[in-house]
Amino acid sequence: GAVVSQHPSRVICKSGTSVKIECRSLDFQATTMFWYRQFPKKSLMLMATSNEGSKATYEQGVEKDKFLINHASLTLSTLTVTSAHPEDSSFYICSASGGETSYEQYFGPGTRLTVT
Amino acid sequence: GQNIDQPTEMTATEGAIVQINCTYQTSGFNGLFWYQQHAGEAPTFLSYNVLDGLEEKGRFSSFLSRSKGYSYLLLKELQMKDSASYLCAVMDSNYQLIWGAGTKLIIKP
Repeated sequence: GAVVSQHPSRVICKSGTSVKIECRSLDFQATTMFWYRQFPKKSLMLMATSNEGSKATYEQGVEKDKFLINHASLTLSTLTVTSAHPEDSSFYICSASGGETSYEQYFGPGTRLTVT
Repeated sequence: GQNIDQPTEMTATEGAIVQINCTYQTSGFNGLFWYQQHAGEAPTFLSYNVLDGLEEKGRFSSFLSRSKGYSYLLLKELQMKDSASYLCAVMDSNYQLIWGAGTKLIIKP
C-alpha cells in the first residue's frame, strides 16, 4: 500500500513555456503533500507543503508565482513551473503523508525536467 | 540553525558490513528516518527511529541516541544492489523533515 505516482517521469520543454507535474496518491488519502527539488549529487530541498483545500506553504526563497501548487483533492496535487528557464531544470519529487503511519512520507518516482 | 551531517561517500566490499553515521542538531525531534535513493530515482523508506536503541529489519538496522544527536544505519551482507545514496532525515518540532546531503555507498565485488 501507500503508492504515490508522478506524471510525467521526464519532460523537455522550451524556455518560456509552462510545465505541469501531477502527483497522485493511489491507495490512500494524502492529507499533506510535499514538493521537493533535487540537484545532482545534492540532497532534497523542500519547496512547499500543501494541505488539501488550502494554499500551499512555500519555503523561503521559493517563488510562489513561479511554482504554482494546487492540492485540489486528497489524492492529487499539481506543481506548475511557469515561464520555465534552463535554471529550472532539475529533478522534482513529490511525497505524501496520511497513509498507514502518520509520520512516513511516501515518495513519488520523480520528474526529470529539462528546459532548453 | 538546523544541521544534519553524514559522510559524503563510503566504499565497502560485497558480503561485508558497513555503518553509515548521521549526527544532527535540530529544533525539536519527532523521529529520524533513513531513506535509500538509487541514482535518478526517488527515495524509498528504510527505517524510522523515535526512541533510543536499535531497530532491526532484515539486513538493515538503524540505531538512535537522542542524547548524543546520533544515528547510524548498519547494512549487513552487502549486495551490489545496495550501491545507492543513503539519506538521513530528522523530523523537527514542526513535523518538517530536515534532510542530510546523503551518503553515496559504493559496493565493490
